[in-house]
Amino acid sequence: DARVTQTPRHKVTEMGQEVTMRCQPILGHNTVFWYRQTMMQGLELLAYFRNRAPLDDSGMPKDRFSAEMPDATLATLKIQPSEPRDSAVYFCASGLSSGARSTDTQYFGPGTRLTVL
Amino acid sequence: DAKTTQPPSMDCAEGRAANLPCNHSTISGNEYVYWYRQIHSQGPQYIIHGLKNNETNEMASLIITEDRKSSTLILPHATLRDTAVYYCIVRNDKIIFGKGTRLHILP
Repeated sequence: DARVTQTPRHKVTEMGQEVTMRCQPILGHNTVFWYRQTMMQGLELLAYFRNRAPLDDSGMPKDRFSAEMPDATLATLKIQPSEPRDSAVYFCASGLSSGARSTDTQYFGPGTRLTVL
Repeated sequence: DAKTTQPPSMDCAEGRAANLPCNHSTISGNEYVYWYRQIHSQGPQYIIHGLKNNETNEMASLIITEDRKSSTLILPHATLRDTAVYYCIVRNDKIIFGKGTRLHILP
């Protein structure tokens, strides 16, 4: 059955290093969302795309985070340089939107657990 | 998007119906009510959604009051595997997660 996949599942890195997280949305879906989850803040929306175009990245720290969709089957979230406060679980979700607004059901991947030392 | 209010935690005996309430008194006419749950260490899982009418699927039922200011998610026969954080979300575009209700199913 179709699922959102995310790689890597776990990543430990040192402060200052670049981190790239990848997401493969469900085939045929046209919306992709990136979320970050920490104990303190819960689930926060970082960015979302529709038809590969970024619609909203207001939740993302612009100076070090970037999100892209090189093609319809791949979404990336990059942190450069990484900091200890970026330690969190990063979830990707995809959906199929048929209208101007996303009222589609979002299907979540298993997440990437990032630890920045 | 409208704000939702949920109890932070609830208990339910295994085999009984779990009724999870949600208040969304500022909901507007074109906003849907969505429910997701998150089992420990997993990504959130879609459960059900509705606009005005009550909805039922293989996982749960969603009861929305006539004025749409509140709703209840019903898990008809709760099992231990239903232990999770349940999120009620009101949206017309982005999904914004609140703190949810931590549901404990008691054996």
